[in-house]
Amino acid sequence: EVQLLESGGGLVQPGGSLRLSCAASGFTFSSYAMSWVRQAPGKGLEWVSAISGSGGSTYYADSVKGRFTISRDNSKNTLYLQMNSLRAEDTAVYYCAKGFGDKAYLGFDLWGRGTLVTVSS
Amino acid sequence: QLVLTQSPSASASLGASVKLTCTLSSGHSSYAIAWHQQQPEKGPRYLMKLNSDGSHSKGDGIPDRFSGSSSGAERYLTISSLQSEDEADYYCQTWGTGIQFGGGTKLTVL
Repeated sequence: EVQLLESGGGLVQPGGSLRLSCAASGFTFSSYAMSWVRQAPGKGLEWVSAISGSGGSTYYADSVKGRFTISRDNSKNTLYLQMNSLRAEDTAVYYCAKGFGDKAYLGFDLWGRGTLVTVSS
Repeated sequence: QLVLTQSPSASASLGASVKLTCTLSSGHSSYAIAWHQQQPEKGPRYLMKLNSDGSHSKGDGIPDRFSGSSSGAERYLTISSLQSEDEADYYCQTWGTGIQFGGGTKLTVL
């Protein structure tokens, strides 16, 4: 079955760190770019970060640049998002999404179910 | 700057049809988009990729009731024979030098 499954969310204090994971199955993971997208409570979708299929190219939204790091392990079919210096405004459900192809900036044709990150003291 | 504009809300009756609009910002009328559906308390679901010429490719399992069309900078999602489960938020997405989402349209099925 083609699917994405996120994990690693939780409650973290401001200034803290968290690492999200996204396990992919049912497709050739290394052939597709992947992204993280977040949705704050009651808000719309916000693209966070993207990585090419090989992992050689990475891109970030201005709101997370310098604090978040996207990476992937193609041998484990897993996508990661390392989040440091977390702020209250980072509170959101984080989704991983599969791109149409290998290039990082593409539309998405598969979404995970999401994992909730809450930044609060 | 690449921006997508969607009406915040729309409504239509059960069994009727509704056409949702996503407008690309000036100078970007040739861009393709993707439509995504997000039912209450669920993650988004890919519906289709829609090109500027109106051709589109739908995701696996997406009913024929969902179709797409284009005119200039406008991209449309038409849902016919509305069902209760179509009540959801609908987002358009595009890509180029970055990835952008429209603000979403909340569809209410009356």
